Amino acid sequence: AQSVAQPEDQVNVAEGNPLTVKCTYSVSGNPYLFWYVQYPNRGLQFLLKYITGDNLVKGSYGFEAEFNKSQTSFHLKKPSALVSDSALYFCAVRDSAESSYKLIFGSGTRLLVRP
Amino acid sequence: DTAVSQTPKYLVTQMGNDKSIKCEQNLGHDTMYWYKQDSKKFLKIMFSYNNKELIINETVPNRFSPKSPDKAHLNLHINSLELGDSAVYFCASSQAASYFPGELFFGEGSRLTVL
Repeated sequence: AQSVAQPEDQVNVAEGNPLTVKCTYSVSGNPYLFWYVQYPNRGLQFLLKYITGDNLVKGSYGFEAEFNKSQTSFHLKKPSALVSDSALYFCAVRDSAESSYKLIFGSGTRLLVRP
Repeated sequence: DTAVSQTPKYLVTQMGNDKSIKCEQNLGHDTMYWYKQDSKKFLKIMFSYNNKELIINETVPNRFSPKSPDKAHLNLHINSLELGDSAVYFCASSQAASYFPGELFFGEGSRLTVL
């Protein structure tokens, strides 16, 4: 069965500094990987996804993520953080070998960008 | 025009009552989902319908019953509400899950509080 782990409950970074939010996954087949962001009292919004191809994926709001098959990771990155990036970030995985089409979410990482 | 809309946004009710949450999407998607987000922000899939057919049915008490009258609508009915049902319930939709690992589009959530 597929699973996804976000080892950090919270990441703190100063505005203007680079940020990384970590995600590792476990699947039987090939992974389909996603990042979502949730602002307070809102639904989740899609940021980016990796299906196949280039390991570096670019998404919305200047975010990018790097797929690393050997480390089974899909870390979210941004070169220069903004205060407005402060939110809850979810990594999610779907296993290509699973017939159930389930998208499994990690436990979420709260990003706090201080001015 | 909201892509995935849920009603009601807030629901406060007594234990033992029966309540429903409605969801509609105008994206032309074939697949719809219900997710539950608990107080720790953990997201867990409950159900998924693909073109009115139930394709995901997680281990959820049978007090929860989804209904999809057409592919644009997915409702959630909960019988005999319990304190532990208090959560935010998110509806989501995507292109047909069976052949395209597309991103999910989420509604704003329905916060259920059981007293």
